[in-house]
Amino acid sequence: AQSVAQPEDQVNVAEGNPLTVKCTYSVSGNPYLFWYVQYPNRGLQFLLKYITGDNLVKGSYGFEAEFNKSQTSFHLKKPSALVSDSALYFCAVSPLEGGATNKLIFGTGTLLAVQP
Amino acid sequence: EAQVTQNPRYLITVTGKKLTVTCSQNMNHEYMSWYRQDPGLGLRQIYYSMNVEVTDKGDVPEGYKVSRKEKRNFPLILESPSPNQTSLYFCASSSSPFNTQYFGPGTRLTVL
Repeated sequence: AQSVAQPEDQVNVAEGNPLTVKCTYSVSGNPYLFWYVQYPNRGLQFLLKYITGDNLVKGSYGFEAEFNKSQTSFHLKKPSALVSDSALYFCAVSPLEGGATNKLIFGTGTLLAVQP
Repeated sequence: EAQVTQNPRYLITVTGKKLTVTCSQNMNHEYMSWYRQDPGLGLRQIYYSMNVEVTDKGDVPEGYKVSRKEKRNFPLILESPSPNQTSLYFCASSSSPFNTQYFGPGTRLTVL
């Protein structure tokens, strides 16, 4: 079965320190990979995506993600965390096989808490 | 402003009372989806639509219906809601089936 794993329910980091939110996936082929962020009482906002090319992709609000094909991982990173980054982060995968289902397979989410 | 809107944002109802959650997008996107978000499960696709009058089931379609009579609108219908449909629902749209999906603000539904 196709799946996305976010092994940490919560990540705690001090403001100014680098942060990493982990994501691994088990999807056949070469899927498209996404990160979304959800602030309280808000919808999901798109952060960044990987389709092909450079393994390091840059996105909104200073976030970037590193794709590693051999480890089937797509970790979200930021060099210097801000308190305002505190939110729920979702990794998602768009499988290219199985037809045009417009489906994103989501991880269970990681709550990022940045302490001042 | 490009956006996906949903109404209502919050709804409390009782078992068996039919309800509709509306979704509208102003980006002329062909593809639209409904997801439900449950703690510990992430988001799961309920239904999707590839264009007007073309819809298909996602991973958790039981108890739900959809329609796509106009390109911009994709309502979610619960004909006989049950408590296990208490959840946070999101509508999303995209220009192609594998491209970035843009999400609405969510509808928090409670079925008593």
